[in-house]
Amino acid sequence: DGGITQSPKYLFRKEGQNVTLSCEQNLNHDAMYWYRQDPGQGLRLIYYSQIVNDFQKGDIAEGYSVSREKKESFPLTVTSAQKNPTAFYLCASKFRLDGGELFFGEGSRLTVL
Amino acid sequence: EDQVTQSPEALRLQEGESSSLNCSYTVSGLRGLFWYRQDPGKGPEFLFTLYSAGEEKEKERLKATLTKKESFLHITAPKPEDSATYLCAVSFGGAQKLVFGQGTRLTINP
Repeated sequence: DGGITQSPKYLFRKEGQNVTLSCEQNLNHDAMYWYRQDPGQGLRLIYYSQIVNDFQKGDIAEGYSVSREKKESFPLTVTSAQKNPTAFYLCASKFRLDGGELFFGEGSRLTVL
Repeated sequence: EDQVTQSPEALRLQEGESSSLNCSYTVSGLRGLFWYRQDPGKGPEFLFTLYSAGEEKEKERLKATLTKKESFLHITAPKPEDSATYLCAVSFGGAQKLVFGQGTRLTINP
């Protein structure tokens, strides 16, 4: 079945540690996205990528980094510079940047202890 | 300022009691309006895309409509399994910017 796989589903981190969230898609989509979701707020865009080896900052990129070495994969690293990293992180993709709907993974919940 | 506002924040209905959720937007150059359903601890599930005023889409007990300023998600004779948070998102502008509303949490009591 085609879809988007995020891992891990739950992750605990100590302050000062970097963590990497995995996102893999087998939908043959060009565009991939990372969103952050906090209670009572709309989804906020962290980074997006239109093609391999290219990515752009979203609205809240500070303290995060990404890579896009393969079309299928778009990992997100939450660095120690992110001031408030506890959140629900969602990876999404769509066929191309300029049209169509987003499809989402199941999400990763990061808790900083 | 480009904004997407959903109302109400939360809605509690009895099974079979029809109602509507609202998504109002103030953006320039609407490219599309999207509705999603999100269950607790899960990623959003795509429901509908609407592109122009007057357009309507239906799926089971759900019907989405669009005007130049807002969209409604009508739910007819809901069942407890329709309980979820419903998100709307608006795509606009040349750069295909996408802005999400904060969601409406719908609870259907049996």
